[in-house]
Amino acid sequence: ETGVTQTPRHLVMGMTNKKSLKCEQHLGHNAMYWYKQSAKKPLELMFVYNFKEQTENNSVPSRFSPECPNSSHLFLHLHTLQPEDSALYLCASSQDRGDEQYFGPGTRLTVT
Amino acid sequence: QKEVEQNSGPLSVPEGAIASLNCTYSDRGSQSFFWYRQYSGKSPELIMSIYSNGDKEDGRFTAQLNKASQYVSLLIRDSQPSDSATYLCAVILNQAGTALIFGKGTTLSVSS
Repeated sequence: ETGVTQTPRHLVMGMTNKKSLKCEQHLGHNAMYWYKQSAKKPLELMFVYNFKEQTENNSVPSRFSPECPNSSHLFLHLHTLQPEDSALYLCASSQDRGDEQYFGPGTRLTVT
Repeated sequence: QKEVEQNSGPLSVPEGAIASLNCTYSDRGSQSFFWYRQYSGKSPELIMSIYSNGDKEDGRFTAQLNKASQYVSLLIRDSQPSDSATYLCAVILNQAGTALIFGKGTTLSVSS
């Protein structure tokens, strides 16, 4: 257990659905991240939040919408996804940007 | 261009041997370097961080950094079958901005 939890662990959704992924960290960290991991590809950074403020958006399509209500919680809202968006979505946190990052268990997303 | 390169493997070593995992990076401004271990179907787990040139040891693991050659490596002594996993090299370009950039990972297989 790294102190970072993610729900749900598995999600199957149709292309017209709307769903949300949740991440919570119990480490007192100030920075939180969303990553996407597809088969045969490196981990891809999606969003960075520092003290609840978004500091990086790595050219992510608008069908992915992040929300960070406080330093402990991070959401990823999903709508009208494509089958190629099927992947493992990982949340991570660090004390501050540039520090060691700790990952949650991930959400395995399948878009049908 | 921001790149982190790793040989995808598989790297096969017998139990008890030393496994040597290598990583090169393209940006001389890189400041922080990390090794993560990822078991199949699981999220990345932090093994080591290194920030200065030279060696850093933690148990059976030794990280080596050479900034002049833009090269970071991970040595695993007395390799065990439980070390069989994908090892991800990750680099932070600078403290003020970019989050972790990951290599594609090297798959290590330790045979008993």
